[in-house]
Amino acid sequence: NAGVTQTPKFRILKIGQSMTLQCAQDMNHNYMYWYRQDPGMGLKLIYYSVGAGITDKGEVPNGYNVSRSTTEDFPLRLELAAPSQTSVYFCASRPLGSPHEQYFGPGTRLTVT
Amino acid sequence: GNSVTQMEGPVTLSEEAFLTINCTYTATGYPSLFWYVQYPGEGLQLLLKATKADDKGSNKGFEATYRKETTSFHLEKGSVQVSDSAVYFCALITGSARQLTFGSGTQLTVLP
Repeated sequence: NAGVTQTPKFRILKIGQSMTLQCAQDMNHNYMYWYRQDPGMGLKLIYYSVGAGITDKGEVPNGYNVSRSTTEDFPLRLELAAPSQTSVYFCASRPLGSPHEQYFGPGTRLTVT
Repeated sequence: GNSVTQMEGPVTLSEEAFLTINCTYTATGYPSLFWYVQYPGEGLQLLLKATKADDKGSNKGFEATYRKETTSFHLEKGSVQVSDSAVYFCALITGSARQLTFGSGTQLTVLP
């Protein structure tokens, strides 16, 4: 199993550009999450999904959109990039009935200039 | 609401020193508590967990005890190694929530 994979690893965007951060998991997990990690801060939840076709906002959803058309994939869309979105983005997943352990991807480092 | 407070870093220790990273929490209900570790360039990994009061979680020589009376879950290791250099996150989840609440993380550097 590859676990949770994220692409790209690094990206530099100009203000106003759009991009999609990809996340995929091959563990058949129901739950998937997107977090952002700012320097010296903990992780903040952006969006999460409890299964295909179902998504919900987390703590900091503004400026982002998500979709979950399959169990495996959970892309995060930035429509109009802003410098405040410079961060490291982590995707995570967990199986149904196991709230204790989330499996994290390696992260995407995004810089908006 | 739920919150987690960790001791501020960075923490720098010599190899074989004793480690304590403090973590206290505020939660509605009875939370499960976790320590996650993030090695350089990687995502977070679950290090240990405790799901009820007085439980002790342990893994790779690290330990933490769920103290309900002091709302704490301090991480300890008797003898740290250079390979323990990482960022450590305390986290919790309550039954009514669907997501983890993380502390701000503590950077640990162990020098040879």
